[in-house]
Amino acid sequence: AQTVTQSQPEMSVQEAETVTLSCTYDTSESDYYLFWYKQPPSRQMILVIRQEAYKQQNATENRFSVNFQKAAKSFSLKISDSQLGDAAMYFCAYRIHSGNTGKLIFGQGTTLQVKP
Amino acid sequence: EAGVAQSPRYKIIEKRQSVAFWCNPISGHATLYWYQQILGQGPKLLIQFQNNGVVDDSQLPKDRFSAERLKGVDSTLKIQPAKLEDSAVYLCASSSHGQYEQYFGPGTRLTVT
Repeated sequence: AQTVTQSQPEMSVQEAETVTLSCTYDTSESDYYLFWYKQPPSRQMILVIRQEAYKQQNATENRFSVNFQKAAKSFSLKISDSQLGDAAMYFCAYRIHSGNTGKLIFGQGTTLQVKP
Repeated sequence: EAGVAQSPRYKIIEKRQSVAFWCNPISGHATLYWYQQILGQGPKLLIQFQNNGVVDDSQLPKDRFSAERLKGVDSTLKIQPAKLEDSAVYLCASSSHGQYEQYFGPGTRLTVT
């Protein structure tokens, strides 16, 4: 069975600094997607960034980038130049690439606090 | 374009009562998902619809939970009877067929007392 683990329940960062959130996963599949979602207090999940497992190049979206280590089954999120609006719960998620199922398997989440 | 709509936003009921949640996906999205998010945890998929057919309901507690998606658009999720452990946020999401990105609604926070 696939599992996603986030070992940092809480993290804090100073505004304008850089922070890295960790995620590990377990799967026997070779083709899958990995995601980072942001959930602010409003509860609406927002996609931050995605990575296709077959791509070696790490995904980047503006201030957000990932470090994808397929052999180690590790998928960390780096937030550069942190802003107050980045404060939220962050979830790492996995989904298999093939078949009809779009089920996302989420980690437990990491609460990010941004200090002014 | 309008996002995923859910109602109500909040609901408080007593145990053994019934409750229903409604979801309207993004127009044209064939796939609809219901997730349960217990406080302090990540969301867990309850059921996935493709149009009005069920793709995956393996984690839906079928003795008390039911869901339908009539005409392949709106969906309702029902709990009858509710238990204390059903207290959670219920998230609806939709995606276009074959697309990886799921768009989430604001969720319904259920409190069972």
